[in-house]
Parts: sequence; C-alpha cells; structure tokens
Amino acid sequence: GQQVKQSSPSLTVQEGGISILNCDYENDMFDYFAWYKKYPDNSPTLLISVRSNVDKREDGRLTVFLNKSGKHFSLHITASQPEDTAVYLCAAGERGSSGNKLIFGIGTLLSVKP
Amino acid sequence: GPKVLQIPSHQIIDMGQMVTLNCDPVSNHLYFYWYKQILGQQMEFLVNFYNGKVMEKSKLFKDQFSVERPDGSYFTLKIQPTALEDSAVYFCASSLQGKAETLYFGSGTRLTVL
Repeated sequence: GQQVKQSSPSLTVQEGGISILNCDYENDMFDYFAWYKKYPDNSPTLLISVRSNVDKREDGRLTVFLNKSGKHFSLHITASQPEDTAVYLCAAGERGSSGNKLIFGIGTLLSVKP
Repeated sequence: GPKVLQIPSHQIIDMGQMVTLNCDPVSNHLYFYWYKQILGQQMEFLVNFYNGKVMEKSKLFKDQFSVERPDGSYFTLKIQPTALEDSAVYFCASSLQGKAETLYFGSGTRLTVL
C-alpha cells in the first residue's frame, strides 16, 4: 500500500488566495516531512521540511503543519501566485533508515488562476 | 543552487539490451540515490549509495540492476538485461549527509524499452 498518500490529484486556487495541500502517511517511524515542487520535465526541488519534534514551520509564504496523531501534514501557501502553478510532492523520511530513503506521494497539481 | 545533471534526458532501447543511466551529482555530496517513476504513479525509491556501497535497496531494485560511482565520476544505474516494465523516468539525487537531509534531484531520464 501507499505509505504516503496525496488524495487530491489537483487543486485550483484564485490568485491571492491560500493554497492548502494535504498529505497522509502510515508509518509511525517517519520523523522527517518535506514538500517538493516540480515543474514538467524538471527536477523536484525542496520547498520546506520539518522534523517530527515540531508541529509547524513557516518560511515566507509557506507554512507546514504536522499532525502526528493524525498522521497528516499539510502545506499552506498564502498569497498564491500564477508562478506557484506546479506539481507539489509530499515526502516522508524513515527513522533508522541507513540513508535518506524518502517516500514520496503521487503529487497534487496546483493551478493558480490570475 | 546545486545542480544534479542527468544525461541523456530520453533513451530508447530494445528489450534485452543493456542500458546505463548517467548522473553527475553535486560535487561535494556523499550520498546518491535512484528513484523510478512509472507514468501516472509516484516516484519510488530504488537504492541509495554511500562510500562505494549500496546502503539500502527496495524490492524494485531487481537483480538486473546495479549501481556504481567509479573514481568519483558519474553515478550510474545499469540495467542488464532490460525488460518492458523497466520503462519509466529514472531520477537521480544526491545529498551531503544521509539523515533527513535535502535531496537534490536531476530532471530525470525517460527510459523507453521496446
């Protein structure tokens, strides 16, 4: 089964609005949570990440919320802009893994309309 | 920012032949990864590699797969022989450290096995 799940394949938001992207996970051993952004035919790039010892992290227009009891984390993008249009991938890392074995969700396509 | 280069971006090969996918990781990085993404599915971890050795591999990393980074040059994924189900986009990544660190991805090589 999918260890990391993004149940919304797409999301459309008006320019200036808040985009909320969601991710659910199954593995209690995950202690690192990240959001990557991907344009077509381009590389995924890290936007923001958190460890399991915090439940919120802000960076400019981006905020990650982590709900450990609910095994859920989300990315909020305020003042959404057309250039935010991309696929957003959530990812989680496993404690005790010998390396950085990130498990990715399938992605949510965010479209920000002018 | 740091760049991971993957050459070529597309490769077409006949089933049963050998293929080598090349990755030029970030120069001072120590950990290297391959991920596989079949069309319409999520990016899945194949293998990570450190200090000349495979640290961890998934069940997708079949016996026909091998990785190496001879003399600090390209990090390669070799498939010998290829099968139809190997058709996918293969993403290479690197990181400076191995625990919950940022992965820097290449833009992928689309492999088509005919």
